[in-house]
Amino acid sequence: AQSVTQLDSHVSVSEGTPVLLRCNYSSSYSPSLFWYVQHPNKGLQLLLKYTSAATLVKGINGFEAEFKKSETSFHLTKPSAHMSDAAEYFCVVRSGEYGNKLVFGAGTILRVKS
Amino acid sequence: EPEVTQTPSHQVTQMGQEVILRCVPISNHLYFYWYRQILGQKVEFLVSFYNNEISEKSEIFDDQFSVERPDGSNFTLKIRSTKLEDSAMYFCASSEALGTIYFGEGSWLTVV
Repeated sequence: AQSVTQLDSHVSVSEGTPVLLRCNYSSSYSPSLFWYVQHPNKGLQLLLKYTSAATLVKGINGFEAEFKKSETSFHLTKPSAHMSDAAEYFCVVRSGEYGNKLVFGAGTILRVKS
Repeated sequence: EPEVTQTPSHQVTQMGQEVILRCVPISNHLYFYWYRQILGQKVEFLVSFYNNEISEKSEIFDDQFSVERPDGSNFTLKIRSTKLEDSAMYFCASSEALGTIYFGEGSWLTVV
């Protein structure tokens, strides 16, 4: 079965410094991986997705993620954090018999200090 | 940009009452889903729906739950007799085939 593990429950950075949110996946075949973001009292918004086309995936708001098969990782990065990036981030893998079920990680809460 | 819309945004209900959560998926999407997130826990898959039938469901989705697409635009989740442990944020989502799954803003259900 497919699963993801988010290695940090909370990450705190200063505004203008890099962001790294870590995610490892477990999959018996080439996975489809996603990062979603949830701002307070808002829904789940797709940041980016990996579907085997390119290992470095660029998303919205300056975020990107690199798929590393050798490390079974899909870490999310951003060169310079902004206050508006404060939110909860979910690493997600597609799963299920028909591939239409998403399995979520536990989430990482990103705090951005001014 | 098209979006998934959900109503109500927040509902408080008495234990044992029936609840219906409503969703309007993105118009050209064919796959519909419900997920839930109990406070402090992971987002969990409940059910997927395609071609007017359930295509997959989790062990959470027991006989107390049902889904329906009553017309061409709405997709509903019914909980027949709510329990305290049903209190959660319920997310509706939709997708084209196996494409990106888009989520609504959620319906927060509180069972008292």
